[in-house]
Amino acid sequence: DAGVIQSPRHEVTEMGQEVTLRCKPISGHDYLFWYRQTMMRGLELLIYFNNNVPIDDSGMPEDRFSAKMPNASFSNLKIQPSEPRDSAVYFCASSHIRAGGVNEQFFGPGTRLTVL
Amino acid sequence: GESVGLHLPTLSVQEGDNSIINCAYSNSASDYFIWYKQESGKGPQFIIDIRSNMDKRQGQRVTVLLNKTVKHLSLQIAATQPGDSAVYFCAERAPGSARQLTFGSGTQLTVLP
Repeated sequence: DAGVIQSPRHEVTEMGQEVTLRCKPISGHDYLFWYRQTMMRGLELLIYFNNNVPIDDSGMPEDRFSAKMPNASFSNLKIQPSEPRDSAVYFCASSHIRAGGVNEQFFGPGTRLTVL
Repeated sequence: GESVGLHLPTLSVQEGDNSIINCAYSNSASDYFIWYKQESGKGPQFIIDIRSNMDKRQGQRVTVLLNKTVKHLSLQIAATQPGDSAVYFCAERAPGSARQLTFGSGTQLTVLP
């Protein structure tokens, strides 16, 4: 398996533009997570899905952020309109339930977003 | 809310020495803990995990110790190598949080030649 795939790896955009980040989880994983990482706040959970259904989006910072998972092999995170303070590395991770209920999350390489 | 924090933001060790990275967690109800390693420009990578019914778990060159009395977690790396240089995060899961992990702020480990 290729692991969690994210695209693009780098995105530079101007304030006010729409940004779409994409993620393909590991096949067979039924949980998908979106994280944001900054120097100031570290790794923050934004939203996660189970079987394509959003379970908890309490980490989504504002209405400008939205995430969808139309099928088991794809999710996207949109920011509209983008602002400079959205600049961060956005990670997607996936997991499945292993024996004993443990849930190691496998992370993608991340998308580095810069909003000018 | 509950949070996970690290005692030392940076740690430098000589190649070949053992490293110990510490983590304090605040939620005494957390039942599962993971250590992740993040190299520059990459996503976090699983190292080792431990459930709350254990106090020690060993992997290849790594050992995780859990002290529930003082809510402390540590990662020991034996014979530290240059490739171990990275940021190390601990993460905890609270019961009922349905696979959510709360991550600590991370410790930068630098291995000196």
